[in-house]
Amino acid sequence: DTEVTQTPKHLVMGMTNKKSLKCEQHMGHRAMYWYKQKAKKPPELMFVYSYEKLSINESVPSRFSPECPNSSLLNLHLHALQPEDSALYLCASSFPRDSDSTNEKLFFGSGTQLSVL
Amino acid sequence: KNEVEQSPQNLTAQEGEFITINCSYSVGISALHWLQQHPGGGIVSLFMLSSGKKKHGRLIATINIQEKHSSLHITASHPRDSAVYICAVRSRSNYQLIWGAGTKLIIKP
Repeated sequence: DTEVTQTPKHLVMGMTNKKSLKCEQHMGHRAMYWYKQKAKKPPELMFVYSYEKLSINESVPSRFSPECPNSSLLNLHLHALQPEDSALYLCASSFPRDSDSTNEKLFFGSGTQLSVL
Repeated sequence: KNEVEQSPQNLTAQEGEFITINCSYSVGISALHWLQQHPGGGIVSLFMLSSGKKKHGRLIATINIQEKHSSLHITASHPRDSAVYICAVRSRSNYQLIWGAGTKLIIKP
């Protein structure tokens, strides 16, 4: 299994809603990432989890709340978002940096296209 | 100046043509990634390089560490190769990938 599965594929939410994005992988990867991508721009890193611990938070507003319940799952909880948060949210996984670097290849999910109204 | 520069930004070619996309970077790196993104989102990692050359099917990636430059080549291009190709480098000093702006490739039948 070489897949990273993200759900839902599309999400429309109002500014007062609470929703969650989910990401799952069964490749034994211990590093998982959330990226945000605006149209025609490269992905921007939001969070990195390494061995289920948050290791990087790129100054992301608190209305985005990540959670890593176990080594296969990564969630992104959304609350009180703004229209400018509309974007493609991508999850990725890899072996952590301090393992054999030949295993550092990133595997991406197909993303959740989020629209905030 | 961006730390990772790709050229060209846009490339349109006829089916069958040999394609080259270039990537130059200005930081010390531990690895360089070439990725492909089709319309609709999903990103596929094509290559991860730290030296030399790698080949997979019709795709070839090379890197010159001394010149801080990498190229992605596509032989016998096909309309299904149409996508955005992104170069990203892993900085030697931190965990983060530094992304290029991408090259939008269109292959016409």
